[in-house]
Amino acid sequence: GAVVSQHPSWVICKSGTSVKIECRSLDFQATTMFWYRQFPKQSLMLMATSNEGSKATYEQGVEKDKFLINHASLTLSTLTVTSAHPEDSSFYICSVGGRETQYFGPGTRLLVL
Amino acid sequence: AQSVTQLDSQVPVFEEAPVELRCNYSSSVSVYLFWYVQYPNQGLQLLLKYLSGSTLVKGINGFEAEFNKSQTSFHLRKPSVHISDTAEYFCAVTRALNTGTASKLTFGTGTRLQVTL
Repeated sequence: GAVVSQHPSWVICKSGTSVKIECRSLDFQATTMFWYRQFPKQSLMLMATSNEGSKATYEQGVEKDKFLINHASLTLSTLTVTSAHPEDSSFYICSVGGRETQYFGPGTRLLVL
Repeated sequence: AQSVTQLDSQVPVFEEAPVELRCNYSSSVSVYLFWYVQYPNQGLQLLLKYLSGSTLVKGINGFEAEFNKSQTSFHLRKPSVHISDTAEYFCAVTRALNTGTASKLTFGTGTRLQVTL
């Protein structure tokens, strides 16, 4: 299956700063990538669908100006959490793949102080 | 829209005992069904999936699941669990269409499988 990496794996930042998370598809050309958020002991909630070369599609209730997504190539999508606040602390996971199988990255743990 | 229900938030079981993790779904269209496993602080690993054909699906690590359309269920089973199976298990669903376009997954709330000696 596809190999998906995320960087960084851990990030701690101060409230009000911006944090960029990268999702790379190492051996799969992904026109679409998905970004999920997972709060402790909860399920994954889809935040947005990242589309290569075009605007991302955000789920209801997700602020597009706060969670900026860029999908500039078939192997890289980035999620930038702008003006982060403690309530943005979470586990962020990306996925790539087709309809029949999705491959997930290892996740990025964000802690906002 | 699709939805997934995992009724059991936690399932404690002794090592070498059998286990069943329940998953029910709701959808007005045909779906693909998945089971993923998540170990602490890691991403999700695909255990198995049902796309079409045989309703009994075998996956990795000795797990299997059975698709039951009339009961809209996709329960996960393993005849003998190991300590290393301790993890969070997620059932997920996506629409089944005749295109290869990626489609978002809808996840259940997860079941924590705790295997003890």
